[in-house]
Amino acid sequence: EAAVTQSPRNKVAVTGGKVTLSCNQTNNHNNMYWYRQDTGHGLRLIHYSYGAGSTEKGDIPDGYKASRPSQENFSLILELATPSQTSVYFCASGDRTVQDTQYFGPGTRLLVL
Amino acid sequence: GDKVKQSPSALSLQEGTNSALRCNFSIAATTVQWFLQNPRGSLINLFYLVPGTKENGRLKSTFNSKESYSTLHIRDAQLEDSGTYFCAADGNMGYKLTFGTGTSLLVDP
Repeated sequence: EAAVTQSPRNKVAVTGGKVTLSCNQTNNHNNMYWYRQDTGHGLRLIHYSYGAGSTEKGDIPDGYKASRPSQENFSLILELATPSQTSVYFCASGDRTVQDTQYFGPGTRLLVL
Repeated sequence: GDKVKQSPSALSLQEGTNSALRCNFSIAATTVQWFLQNPRGSLINLFYLVPGTKENGRLKSTFNSKESYSTLHIRDAQLEDSGTYFCAADGNMGYKLTFGTGTSLLVDP
């Protein structure tokens, strides 16, 4: 059974609208991450978390917020979506006690019109 | 410039042949991970490396922190090896990965 799940898998949003992407992990990992993948850029880190209640800025946090209400759940929030945020978003979990190998969810395709 | 540079950007192999992918780092990488993104888009972790070498089946990876590079060797390439290979470096002990832009591999029969 998949240990990192994301919802929705596909989303179409309008410019200026609010979008929430959700991630759930059953690995019991402390660390969780949100990345976006764009052609020519590989994966870039948006926000990450070391545990429930913590969020940290990654390399490209502008325009995004994150929320980690529990060990299992990590959300990425676009308060005012823009077309430049059209991308594929991946969530991952990892735990330093097992070498912090990162395990990825299946991705969410977001189209902002 | 790119902190993690991968080469080549694209590669085509015949089934049964061998190849090597490379990552060069301009950050002080402490650990390296290699991932395969399959044609369905799923990211699969292949290796987690501290300086040294690991082997798993037909795959072998080396991380040389002093010379700031990592390699992934594929032996006896199979059709299911097709996809995009990413390396990623953890450079500041903060569990944050910096990804390269990937090597797109196509294995032909």
